[in-house]
Amino acid sequence: EVQLQQSGPELVKPGASEKISCKTSGYTFTAYNIHWVKQSHGKSLEWIGYIYPYNGGTGYNQKFKGKATLTVDNSSSTAYMELRSLTSEDSAVYYCARHWGYFDYWGQGTTLIVSS
Amino acid sequence: DIQMTQSPASLSASVGETVTITCRVSENIYSYLAWYQQKQGKSPQLLVYNAKTLAEGVPSRFSGSGSGTQFSLTINSMQPEDFGSYYCQHHYGTPYTFGGGTKLEIK
Repeated sequence: EVQLQQSGPELVKPGASEKISCKTSGYTFTAYNIHWVKQSHGKSLEWIGYIYPYNGGTGYNQKFKGKATLTVDNSSSTAYMELRSLTSEDSAVYYCARHWGYFDYWGQGTTLIVSS
Repeated sequence: DIQMTQSPASLSASVGETVTITCRVSENIYSYLAWYQQKQGKSPQLLVYNAKTLAEGVPSRFSGSGSGTQFSLTINSMQPEDFGSYYCQHHYGTPYTFGGGTKLEIK
């Protein structure tokens, strides 16, 4: 069974950085891109970027360049997204999703709250 | 970036009704369109990809149609478990974009 298990909710202060994890199982990790999607409260979905675990190749939405950095640890089949210089605008639920042209499996989401 | 315009933004329907959600795209994406369902507090779930192919396990009362710039998702004979939010998304290369969503509520 394909599963993407994300790290738990985080409360962080403005200006800080935070790293969210997405641990996968049930499939060959290096065979599929992992994408990240942001959903602000009550809003639609925004695509952040992707990483190809096979070679570490990445692609980002221009809006999130400099904000998000995507990495992987192939030994643990885990993808990571680090968000830096956090502001209240970064408060949202962040999802990782497996990509096969479209997003066929999603993590449960990680809630990030940025507040002093 | 490709713009996705979804309508209606909200819709009230009764169990047993047939409902249709539309997605208009700013440029030709052929059939590279997906639909997702999202329940409150849960992650999106893939319903349809390539405009009309049902994802594994999706009931046959769901159907997708369209190509180019106009697409639709139809739910025949709404069931209680079908209420929630629905999003279209193009998968015609990055950057991917989503529609604004349709919130489907019980009447």
